[in-house]
Amino acid sequence: EVQLVESGGGLVQPGRSLKLSCVASGFTFRNYGMNWIRQAPGKGLEWVAYISSGSSYSYYAETVKGRFTISRDNAKNTLYLQMTSLRSEDTALFYCARMGNNNWFVYWGQGTLVTVSS
Amino acid sequence: DIQMTQSPASLSASLGETVTIECRASEDIYNGLAWYQQKPGKSPQFLIYNANILHTGVPSRLSGSGSGTQYSLKINSLQSEDVATYFCQQYYDFPNTFGAGTKLELK
Repeated sequence: EVQLVESGGGLVQPGRSLKLSCVASGFTFRNYGMNWIRQAPGKGLEWVAYISSGSSYSYYAETVKGRFTISRDNAKNTLYLQMTSLRSEDTALFYCARMGNNNWFVYWGQGTLVTVSS
Repeated sequence: DIQMTQSPASLSASLGETVTIECRASEDIYNGLAWYQQKPGKSPQFLIYNANILHTGVPSRLSGSGSGTQYSLKINSLQSEDVATYFCQQYYDFPNTFGAGTKLELK
């Protein structure tokens, strides 16, 4: 059974940093591109970042480019999202998601909540 | 970025009814469309890809159709477990973009 378990969320002041983690199990992690997708409270879904299976490529939404960094450790089956210069508008539930054969998201974690507030 | 417009924003229907949710792209996405179901307090669940192909385990009461810029999700014989918010997502062009969602409730 595929499982994605996010952690690392919490309350953080504007301008500070936070690092999210997502531990994967139930599939060969190193074979799949991975993503972070967020959902502001009561709102829709926003794709945030993508990293290829071997970390050769990464892409970001314009709203986070230059502030967020996606990375992975295939030996630890873990995906990361380093977030810096956080803003109130970054407040959201952050999901990690595994892709299918194309850029759709087959499996999602339960999410970790990031609240940016003073 | 390609804009995805879903309609209606909310929908109320009775058990056993057939409902249709629409998703319109701001440009042709060549069937690069997926649908997701999100129940309250839960993560999104993947339903359909390539506009009309059901993911494994998705009940055949659900179906997707469309082409070009216009797509739809149809739910036949509405069940209580279908109460959820439904999102479309285009993956034809970078960046992936989602519709704002359609909240489906029971009447």
